[in-house]
Amino acid sequence: AQSVTQLGSHVSVSEGALVLLRCNYSSSVPPYLFWYVQYPNQGLQLLLKYTTGATLVKGINGFEAEFKKSETSFHLTKPSAHMSDAAEYFCAVSDSWGKLQFGAGTQVVVTP
Amino acid sequence: EPEVTQTPSHQVTQMGQEVILRCVPISNHLYFYWYRQILGQKVEFLVSFYNNEISEKSEIFDDQFSVERPDGSNFTLKIRSTKLEDSAMYFCASSLGTGGGSSGANVLTFGAGSRLTVL
Repeated sequence: AQSVTQLGSHVSVSEGALVLLRCNYSSSVPPYLFWYVQYPNQGLQLLLKYTTGATLVKGINGFEAEFKKSETSFHLTKPSAHMSDAAEYFCAVSDSWGKLQFGAGTQVVVTP
Repeated sequence: EPEVTQTPSHQVTQMGQEVILRCVPISNHLYFYWYRQILGQKVEFLVSFYNNEISEKSEIFDDQFSVERPDGSNFTLKIRSTKLEDSAMYFCASSLGTGGGSSGANVLTFGAGSRLTVL
């Protein structure tokens, strides 16, 4: 069975500050890991994914995440927050069949 | 960029009524999914569909739910007799295939969702 845990349901960051969203996973097989973003009243948009290869993954909008097997983590970061980053962020894990297990989500608020 | 489209965007129905949510997946995708998100809760897997049959379903996907690909383009979710607890945002997703690697074959593309409100 696979699962993810996102630490912190709400994160508030100042504009220009570092964004760090934490995700830890549990998987009995090599995981595929994803971060999705959901803007208000919109669907889920893929930010980035880790499947195999390089453990530092770059995504859209300046986000990146690092797969750390020893820590079973896949934390999402962005060096400098922008007001448009305000959204809900979901970490997800899947096996090779593609079924995703989502974390509970982290709501990001960006303050001026 | 290809996208998954869902209709309706919002539906209000009375308890006990049948509801059909429709999805048009990306045209060359082979795997189709339904997820739901109850307000304030996590996104939950309902069902996956491949080669005209269900490949996997969750405990949530009971006999009240069914899926169909009636015409080779649409992918529908039917709830036979809605309950109050079925109120949620329902997301359709599709993918090109399964398996990892750098091809991104198991990456799901989601639609914008259909919000179902059961009164």
